[in-house]
Amino acid sequence: DAEITQSPRHKITETGRQVTLACHQTWNHNNMFWYRQDLGHGLRLIHYSYGVQDTNKGEVSDGYSVSRSNTEDLPLTLESAASSQTSVYFCASSESGTPGTAFFGQGTRLTVV
Amino acid sequence: AQSVTQLGSHVSVSEGALVLLRCNYSSSVPPYLFWYVQYPNQGLQLLLKYTSAATLVKGINGFEAEFKKSETSFHLTKPSAHMSDAAEYFCAVSVQNQGGKLIFGQGTELSVKP
Repeated sequence: DAEITQSPRHKITETGRQVTLACHQTWNHNNMFWYRQDLGHGLRLIHYSYGVQDTNKGEVSDGYSVSRSNTEDLPLTLESAASSQTSVYFCASSESGTPGTAFFGQGTRLTVV
Repeated sequence: AQSVTQLGSHVSVSEGALVLLRCNYSSSVPPYLFWYVQYPNQGLQLLLKYTSAATLVKGINGFEAEFKKSETSFHLTKPSAHMSDAAEYFCAVSVQNQGGKLIFGQGTELSVKP
């Protein structure tokens, strides 16, 4: 069965370190998204991609970057982790032309100390 | 710009009672609307979606929602709550030609009492 997987599921890192969260999907979807989930804010869009070599900034992109070198993967990098980036991160993918029917990964809980 | 407001961050019902979770949206163009459910320590799962066809949309696990343009609402209902319905529910809006980007409400945590 097709799926979308995130790794690691849990991570603790120190302030100032670079951190990369992995997202891998086997749906063969063109669209991929990264969201962060914080209490009282729901999910907010960080970055998204509509295909290989395409990346776009979302609502809360400061301090984050992504790259898309193939269809399956969209890693999220925190350039210099800050305590404000402690959150649960979700990756999602969807087909082009399917309005918003996204499939979500299990999430990565990141703690910055 | 689009936005979503979910009324009530916590809703508690008794098992067997009606579930009503409220969602209002703002969109300058016809929206697509979604309800997702999140069980503890899991990702989000699509419950149902409205994409400009029938205004009453039926989803999984007995949930349904009605799109009311005049009220800019998309409330989620289930006639009889089950213990397994306890979860967090998110309403979201997307717009045609914006590639599936979702704008989420703040979420409503549903508790079901025995």
